[in-house]
Amino acid sequence: QQQVKQSPQSLIVQKGGISIINCAYENTAFDYFPWYQQFPGKGPALLIAIRPDVSEKKEGRFTISFNKSAKQFSLHIMDSQPGDSATYFCAASKGNYQLIWGAGTKLIIKP
Amino acid sequence: DAGVIQSPRHEVTEMGQEVTLRCKPISGHNSLFWYRQTMMRGLELLIYFNNNVPIDDSGMPEDRFSAKMPNASFSTLKIQPSEPRDSAVYFCAILHTGYTGELFFGEGSRLTVL
Repeated sequence: QQQVKQSPQSLIVQKGGISIINCAYENTAFDYFPWYQQFPGKGPALLIAIRPDVSEKKEGRFTISFNKSAKQFSLHIMDSQPGDSATYFCAASKGNYQLIWGAGTKLIIKP
Repeated sequence: DAGVIQSPRHEVTEMGQEVTLRCKPISGHNSLFWYRQTMMRGLELLIYFNNNVPIDDSGMPEDRFSAKMPNASFSTLKIQPSEPRDSAVYFCAILHTGYTGELFFGEGSRLTVL
């Protein structure tokens, strides 16, 4: 019940395309769902986050879609650029310090 | 500025040696985390400090691992004796003071135990 399942494990998208990464969870007590972006040799950095009272949050080219009934949330990257090539992690928490992490998706944007 | 400075960035050591990893939040923070990242296990929380006190150390693998936070601006993670299976990237992270839930990670210490 504590798991967050992330897919796909890796993703190749053409420049200008839409990248979509999906996550699913079981614990309905989760109330905070962030996405982190990690470049090689760096630590993860918060990209965008959502709380379950909204179904979508958009920041620039990045959008989180949240489906509370299905217990799923996804990251959409519009007009994907080579600079977006990184590993993306979804996570979930119950509003405390404990983040439950997805396994990560390695995204490659082909020029 | 809520950056985190970790040292060393890279450490190569031989099995059985003691390893000490260091973390310095640029501005003092009450909440500090140590994470370990490997390809096989992903990101694992090792220990969480709040107000310099270890609150959750359930992720510390075994007695070979220990962590301290003597003040709000410094923490150490020690492995003694080190083993090849400890090879990983170790991250220190701090919680955003406004509690947005955002963690600020350092750049990590890559440990290789031969």
